[in-house]
Amino acid sequence: QKEVEQNSGPLSVPEGAIASLNCTYSDRGSQSFFWYRQYSGKSPELIMSIYSNGDKEDGRFTAQLNKASQYVSLLIRDSQPSDSATYLCAVRTNAGKSTFGDGTTLTVKP
Amino acid sequence: DAGVTQSPTHLIKTRGQQVTLRCSPKSGHDTVSWYQQALGQGPQFIFQYYEEEERQRGNFPDRFSGHQFPNYSSELNVNALLLGDSALYLCASRPGGDWGAVEAFFGQGTRLTVV
Repeated sequence: QKEVEQNSGPLSVPEGAIASLNCTYSDRGSQSFFWYRQYSGKSPELIMSIYSNGDKEDGRFTAQLNKASQYVSLLIRDSQPSDSATYLCAVRTNAGKSTFGDGTTLTVKP
Repeated sequence: DAGVTQSPTHLIKTRGQQVTLRCSPKSGHDTVSWYQQALGQGPQFIFQYYEEEERQRGNFPDRFSGHQFPNYSSELNVNALLLGDSALYLCASRPGGDWGAVEAFFGQGTRLTVV
């Protein structure tokens, strides 16, 4: 079992719809959770971080964390074609080690 | 502020050769981490340098080594290159001392192709 698992996709949504991206992790000692966006051939770009259970909203993005279920998600509202990218979930333990999932590819169709 | 800069951007090497990749951290950052990202996969942590010492290491063989200089810049060295070392190598920097600090600043990466 991978330490951080994501559906590889591709996930396709129409423009204006809500895109839902999911991530599960295996280390119960994980304390920090991050979502990155990565365009093809580019480096990852941090879009959200979440540290406690519940929801965290930033513009069109909402991160959701459930530590009991070891589950973190990212919702993108009013999806735009420019949101088409690979979304990486990353998890960090107290020891400072970061583990990334393999990413979910999102395509937003006009 | 130039952010995190890496050189070179692209590199082609032959199996068995050695390669050195370079990274200059964002101004004010003293911690540098290196990641390997194979095609279709997420970044995998190689190691992290802080105060010129390797502070943490991922599951990579000893062929992967690094160095950090007094100006906080860093090098990643890979010996005896294998075809499987072909990947995008990413450098990330952040202020040291905070283990929970987010990895927010990545360089543009070095694309290494081993033939």
